[in-house]
Amino acid sequence: EAGVTQFPSHSVIEKGQTVTLRCDPISGHDNLYWYRRVMGKEIKFLLHFVKESKQDESGMPNNRFLAERTGGTYSTLKVQPAELEDSGVYFCASSQSTGLFPGETQYFGPGTRLLVL
Amino acid sequence: DAKTTQPTSMDCAEGRAANLPCNHSTISGNEYVYWYRQIHSQGPQYIIHGLKNNETNEMASLIITEDRKSSTLILPHATLRDTAVYYCIALLANNLFFGTGTRLTVIP
Repeated sequence: EAGVTQFPSHSVIEKGQTVTLRCDPISGHDNLYWYRRVMGKEIKFLLHFVKESKQDESGMPNNRFLAERTGGTYSTLKVQPAELEDSGVYFCASSQSTGLFPGETQYFGPGTRLLVL
Repeated sequence: DAKTTQPTSMDCAEGRAANLPCNHSTISGNEYVYWYRQIHSQGPQYIIHGLKNNETNEMASLIITEDRKSSTLILPHATLRDTAVYYCIALLANNLFFGTGTRLTVIP
């Protein structure tokens, strides 16, 4: 079974440009999460999708970040316009939906390393 | 969510048991304790989780004190590939709150 995949693995862009990150969850997983680690900081939660709906987006830093999950399969995270402080590693995770707390284990992808110059 | 505190770093000899402590004195009754690890700059890897009872799987054992204020992750026979940052997380909602973790170095 394929794990969570993320594309691209690395991205280097200039300040003010737009970047779109993609995450493909494990097949059949309704829950999809985005996290990020910016330089020198801890891994922080960004948002949580249940199928195509945003369940919790309390961690999104500002309106330059837009996450979508059309059709409830893969998700994209767009940063527009990118700023220097957006540099870091963006992780995606997915889990099944059982209707139980605390839900199923989250499995992480390898991350996308974003560098904004 | 309850805060967890872990030592910044630990060393363990290869082949010996690695015991990683975690304090979560403010944990509530329905918060689970999860352990993840991150090897180099890979994505976090799930290890184990528990609520009240001790748990064991193919990777590790989790010992939770009766008052649930602390727990210990045990890697029974540490290998060099277990060198990583280990995160103890108290989970209330479905989003994981990572702290700074413990950097475990397995020494040959």
